[in-house]
Amino acid sequence: NAGVMQNPRHLVRRRGQEARLRCSPMKGHSHVYWYRQLPEEGLKFMVYLQKENIIDESGMPKERFSAEFPKEGPSILRIQQVVRGDSAAYFCASSPTQGDWAKNIQYFGAGTRLSVL
Amino acid sequence: KNQVEQSPQSLIILEGKNCTLQCNYTVSPFSNLRWYKQDTGRGPVSLTIMTFSENTKSNGRYTATLDADTKQSSLHITASQLSDSASYICVVSARGNNRLAFGKGNQVVVIP
Repeated sequence: NAGVMQNPRHLVRRRGQEARLRCSPMKGHSHVYWYRQLPEEGLKFMVYLQKENIIDESGMPKERFSAEFPKEGPSILRIQQVVRGDSAAYFCASSPTQGDWAKNIQYFGAGTRLSVL
Repeated sequence: KNQVEQSPQSLIILEGKNCTLQCNYTVSPFSNLRWYKQDTGRGPVSLTIMTFSENTKSNGRYTATLDADTKQSSLHITASQLSDSASYICVVSARGNNRLAFGKGNQVVVIP
């Protein structure tokens, strides 16, 4: 049973380009979360999605960032017109159900490290 | 101000020794507290999860404690090994939503 798969592991973009980060949750998981980790900082929540629905995007920057989790295929975090400040590690996590939140562990992928030149 | 504060920021310990990491939080209303281990260049991996009614939980050589009254938790590593070198992250969730508040982590380096 493969874990949470993120790709690419490393992504280099020039200022103004678009970055697309992909996340395939663990088999049987229908909840996906995206986090951003800046150097020397803790992870910061960005967005929580279920299949075809954005549940909570309160951590997403208002512009240039979007996320989706289609019925088929991986979840995508899209950053348009990247700037140097977008350079960070982006982690995806998945969980099976929302139900018993106290027992609901989020399983993390290895992350995508975005570098903006 | 961060809702989860961890100390010390970093520490170096000799292989075989014990160490204790601290976490203070202000998240309210409290649901649960987790400790994650994050190896360099990898995603966090869950070590323990504790709810309000639990005050200690062990996972091998890792023992976590929780005092929900003082809003403090600790992670104790017994007989450290070189593979324990990592960042240990305290994560607290509030009742009623799915968001997690992350500490910046305790960076542990175990030396032979």
